[in-house]
Formats: sequence, C-alpha cells, structure tokens
Amino acid sequence: SQTIHQWPATLVQPVGSPLSLECTVEGTSNPNLYWYRQAAGRGLQLLFYSVGIGQISSEVPQNLSASRPQDRQFILSSKKLLLSDSGFYLCAWRTQGAIFGYTFGSGTRLTVV
Amino acid sequence: KQEVTQIPAALSVPEGENLVLNCSFTDSAIYNLQWFRQDPGKGLTSLLLIQSSQREQTSGRLNASLDKSSGRSTLYIAASQPGDSATYLCALLPNAGGTSYGKLTFGQGTILTVHP
Repeated sequence: SQTIHQWPATLVQPVGSPLSLECTVEGTSNPNLYWYRQAAGRGLQLLFYSVGIGQISSEVPQNLSASRPQDRQFILSSKKLLLSDSGFYLCAWRTQGAIFGYTFGSGTRLTVV
Repeated sequence: KQEVTQIPAALSVPEGENLVLNCSFTDSAIYNLQWFRQDPGKGLTSLLLIQSSQREQTSGRLNASLDKSSGRSTLYIAASQPGDSATYLCALLPNAGGTSYGKLTFGQGTILTVHP
C-alpha cells in the first residue's frame, strides 16, 4: 500500500536559520509531488510541485526552495527563514495521469521566532 | 481563475442530525473534485473523490454529489457523531486539456462541531 511520510511534525526555528523539511512516499513510483502551505486564515496554497527527479516548479515567489533528489523524496528548504515562513506545511502526492486523488502527509508545524 | 466557496464557514449541530456541507465553484472545466477532512493540527484525510463524469460517490455515512452545470458539490453526512467534528475541505483539480500537473484549488473549509 502507498504511504507518505513527512517530518518533523513540529519545528521552532529562529529567524535567519536554515530549514529542511523532508517528505518520502512509499509504494508507488514516479508520483507527482507537491508542497502546500496552510497559513492561519488563508487556506491552502501550493508552493512547489514536481513531476520527476530534478524537475521543480514554483507557484509563488518566496523565500523557500524545493528539491527532488530521488523519485520518492521531496525536500523543502530555506537558507534563511523569515517570520512570514511560519505555517503548516503539507506534502502530497498523486499518481501521474491517473484518475486517483491526492494523498497528503501529516504536516509540519513551523514556527519562526 | 477558479474560485471555490464553501458554505457555511462553521456549523454546530447536535449528535444524530443529518447535515449538508456546500461547495460551489466558478469554472466547470474540472478533472475531479475531492472532499477532505482535517482534524486540528493534522494533515488532510481524503473522504471522497468524484470524477468529472460522475454524479455522486458514497462511503459509509458520507455521500458527495457533483453538479458541474450549476458549479456545486455537496457533502451529506448522515447521523452525525461527535467524532465527525473537524474542518471539511473541498478541492478541485482543473481539466487543462486532459492533462494537468494537478494543482488543487481549495475552498476555505467548513468547521463542523457535533456536540453530544
């Protein structure tokens, strides 16, 4: 069966520090991978998506970057965090070209202080 | 640009009631529509997925319908329970010429509270 792992669950980081959030998917190959952010009162916003290894597309300009070093691994990074980067980050996957829906991870609560 | 609206924003009902959550959208060119549940501080759990060619899907006490012509979907919850308390989100996948990288457009959600 397919599963998605996301860690850490919570993170408190000072302004200006680096960030690395990791997401891995099991039980499928060549998935579409996504990073969403959920900020209080603003709903879910797509940050990055990837249709293959090394292929990253950004939806909004921001202080964050994403990488996909392996087929089922998706990493969200920042060199220097801003207060505005605080939020709930969700990784998701979807089988390419299929009629199936999205599967989301359990999320990472990031607080930048 | 697709816009998704969920009504009501919040709903509080006594246990045992049947209830309906509404989702409306502006662009009927969708690939599918997915209903999610989110518990506080948790990720999203998929409840039901309706393909654009389908009218409804059912899972246990949940029934979701889709009417593309009117730009509406409803999530019906029968015999509500306190464990149903959560935020319910609808999300649409656009039909971009039959292929899509899969950017979901979410509604703002309905916060449901079922009290004993």
